[in-house]
Amino acid sequence: GESVGLHLPTLSVQEGDNSIINCAYSNSASDYFIWYKQESGKGPQFIIDIRSNMDKRQGQRVTVLLNKTVKHLSLQIAATQPGDSAVYFCAENNEGGSEKLVFGKGTKLTVNP
Amino acid sequence: DTAVSQTPKYLVTQMGNDKSIKCEQNLGHDTMYWYKQDSKKFLKIMFSYNNKELIINETVPNRFSPKSPDKAHLNLHINSLELGDSAVYFCASSRGAEAFFGQGTRLTVV
Repeated sequence: GESVGLHLPTLSVQEGDNSIINCAYSNSASDYFIWYKQESGKGPQFIIDIRSNMDKRQGQRVTVLLNKTVKHLSLQIAATQPGDSAVYFCAENNEGGSEKLVFGKGTKLTVNP
Repeated sequence: DTAVSQTPKYLVTQMGNDKSIKCEQNLGHDTMYWYKQDSKKFLKIMFSYNNKELIINETVPNRFSPKSPDKAHLNLHINSLELGDSAVYFCASSRGAEAFFGQGTRLTVV
């Protein structure tokens, strides 16, 4: 069946360091992936996405890497700031199938000043 | 100008009661969803509607009944509430695969 999981449930970094959050997925038919950020008391917010025909995509301070061979996704946050503290989710979708996002378990990122 | 808004934000109720959560989106999206987030932060889809028609029902107990009066609204009615229904419920909408989420409704059943 489908499953999207994260290697690390918690991650603690110092302000200014780079953060890497990992995600494993098992549905080889998934062709679209999104990283979401959820701050305390709020709904998930879109950070960055990537399609399966790409292996890297960059945004502002964030980079998503996709390795389809090992079904692995990562989110890199450069120069992590206290405002980056949140729970991060990867989500996968098979755009040829139903419009359903399957979410991973989430990684809680804590940025220490 | 909130994109996806849901009410109430908090809901505390007794077991056995019936309650509703309302959701509205002003993004012009065709598809709306309800997700449930448990105490471990796991997010799982419950329902999806496209242009007022149910397209996804993820084996949710039939005590949960979504209703979509128009494509901008998707409400969730829950009958005979149980302790295990306590969670945060998120409404979302999308045009493609990217979903935009509301702020969530924290439901506590006592």
